[in-house]
Amino acid sequence: KQEVTQIPAALSVPEGENLVLNCSFTDSAIYNLQWFRQDPGKGLTSLLLIQSSQREQTSGRLNASLDKSSGRSTLYIAASQPGDSATYLCAVYTGNQFYFGTGTSLTVIP
Amino acid sequence: DAEITQSPRHKITETGRQVTLACHQTWNHNNMFWYRQDLGHGLRLIHYSYGVHDTNKGEVSDGYSVSRSNTEDLPLTLESAASSQTSVYFCASSANTDTQYFGPGTRLTVL
Repeated sequence: KQEVTQIPAALSVPEGENLVLNCSFTDSAIYNLQWFRQDPGKGLTSLLLIQSSQREQTSGRLNASLDKSSGRSTLYIAASQPGDSATYLCAVYTGNQFYFGTGTSLTVIP
Repeated sequence: DAEITQSPRHKITETGRQVTLACHQTWNHNNMFWYRQDLGHGLRLIHYSYGVHDTNKGEVSDGYSVSRSNTEDLPLTLESAASSQTSVYFCASSANTDTQYFGPGTRLTVL
């Protein structure tokens, strides 16, 4: 069974700092990996999707990398802003199901 | 604009009652999913459907059922609600294996 782990569970940084969120998964047989953002009391919003054949995807200040063989992905956020404060979740798609990590709660301090 | 909606947004019920949570999407997506989100567990898949009349069990399907009679709707039924089913429930849809679009969630409390 696929297990997805995110470390750290919570992170607090000053505004302007660059940061990295980590995601690891136990079974490398995945179709794709997605990073989502969840604001308190809200649903999930997709940020980036990386296909299994890709190494990274970029959107604005966000960059996600994927190392399928080692079962790892990172989400890099450049020049963090208070509006980035949210919970970030990663999810892998195995071909029939999506498996989610428990998320990293990010707080960016003004 | 296309969207995915859930109703009700909040529900309080008693142990043993049958409860149905609605999910409606206007994306015309074939794939629809139900998850529950609990502290310490993240999102866990309950049931999913890849098209009309197709339903599949997810990781935590016991005590839940779904039916898919049209493309737009996938209602989730708790046959006999239990306190362990107190959670936040999210519905999602996708066109294929790519991005899932999530609804705003339903907070269910079983007393």
